[in-house]
Amino acid sequence: DTGVSQDPRHKITKRGQNVTFRCDPISEHNRLYWYRQTLGQGPEFLTYFQNEAQLEKSRLLSDRFSAERPKGSFSTLEIQRTEQGDSAMYLCASSAGAQGASSGYTFGSGTRLTVV
Amino acid sequence: AQSVAQPEDQVNVAEGNPLTVKCTYSVSGNPYLFWYVQYPNRGLQFLLKYITGDNLVKGSYGFEAEFNKSQTSFHLKKPSALVSDSALYFCAVRDRGGADGLTFGKGTHLIIQP
Repeated sequence: DTGVSQDPRHKITKRGQNVTFRCDPISEHNRLYWYRQTLGQGPEFLTYFQNEAQLEKSRLLSDRFSAERPKGSFSTLEIQRTEQGDSAMYLCASSAGAQGASSGYTFGSGTRLTVV
Repeated sequence: AQSVAQPEDQVNVAEGNPLTVKCTYSVSGNPYLFWYVQYPNRGLQFLLKYITGDNLVKGSYGFEAEFNKSQTSFHLKKPSALVSDSALYFCAVRDRGGADGLTFGKGTHLIIQP
């Protein structure tokens, strides 16, 4: 297992287009998280899953954003009708156990989105 | 609501000298605390965490951090800095009784000068 994988590494899209990112967590991790990081800021929590259930969504996750984890393994994050303000690094993380904090969070390398 | 403050945008240290990167936090309950490091165009790498127990936590690459409940601080330290320690460092907190997402600080650029 090589850790948390994210695809693509970079995405450039025109404003108004839809984009989808994929995250493959560490295989034995049942919790999966999405964060967004803009330039000069720390990562901001978007949402997380325990297995296939989406348990929490941040206020940052507007109606244009949707995340899925259909089989409790990989996850996708879709942004519809992209706006320039969506340009950011989108980070995925995973953790094991009932209390993610005690077992640690492992982050992927991120997908950098640029909306032009 | 929980929050993290990293008061220094940048810290400059000469190689071989001790370093400190400051972090203070605010949570309604008891905290889980973390330090992560980020290199350019890379994801976050875990350095260390405080969950419970000993207030002095030792982590990767010779880093350590001290949990101070009265000052609500979790400063990152290293006795002798290396040029390769130069990177962006993030402190993060989670309320032990709260939701599972982490709240991060804005980050501190650590620059180690040869």
